[in-house]
Amino acid sequence: GENVEQHPSTLSVQEGDSAVIKCTYSDSASNYFPWYKQELGKRPQLIIDIRSNVGEKKDQRIAVTLNKTAKHFSLHITETQPEDSAVYFCAASKEGGGGNKLTFGTGTQLKVEL
Amino acid sequence: GAVVSQHPSRVICKSGTSVKIECRSLDFQATTMFWYRQFPKQSLMLMATSNEGSKATYEQGVEKDKFLINHASLTLSTLTVTSAHPEDSSFYICSARDAFGGTDTQYFGPGTRLTVL
Repeated sequence: GENVEQHPSTLSVQEGDSAVIKCTYSDSASNYFPWYKQELGKRPQLIIDIRSNVGEKKDQRIAVTLNKTAKHFSLHITETQPEDSAVYFCAASKEGGGGNKLTFGTGTQLKVEL
Repeated sequence: GAVVSQHPSRVICKSGTSVKIECRSLDFQATTMFWYRQFPKQSLMLMATSNEGSKATYEQGVEKDKFLINHASLTLSTLTVTSAHPEDSSFYICSARDAFGGTDTQYFGPGTRLTVL
């Protein structure tokens, strides 16, 4: 089955700096890669996703890049703010007939310091 | 975006009792719902895939007789933790797939904090 690895496990940045979280996946058939933000005790919130037919996607301060050949994808947050502090999870799945089971990474605790 | 609700949000029960958790998609139909368990400071672990009108598919290592899943309609799935024990204490989260919305995006419920005494 799919295996998703995520690094780093913790990340501390100064407000205004950029943060980058990286994930690798094992199943070359995976074609959907969402990123979720989870605050303590709350539900995971989808913040951005990318499908394998594109290499990059951007939404304001958040961007995701995908390298299908290397089987890795990354989340980039620019101009970080204290409210960006949370745990971020990457995930991978096979849409359209693969059951869309999400396999999650182990999470990254992002702390944005003033 | 699509809204998924879960009830109850928090439950405390005695060891040996059963607890039912409901997951509802409020503004869309979900042919598939997923149940996850999350221990403190850990990732979400998929327990089972719940399909409307058919039996749930359980992940390896998850006891189907202990975690009963019923997907009675396109907007409701229930998870029953039978004969709960302290080691079952966890955060249980469901998600629903909006397959008719043009994508296969999953939306998560707010979670249920189960504490077994």
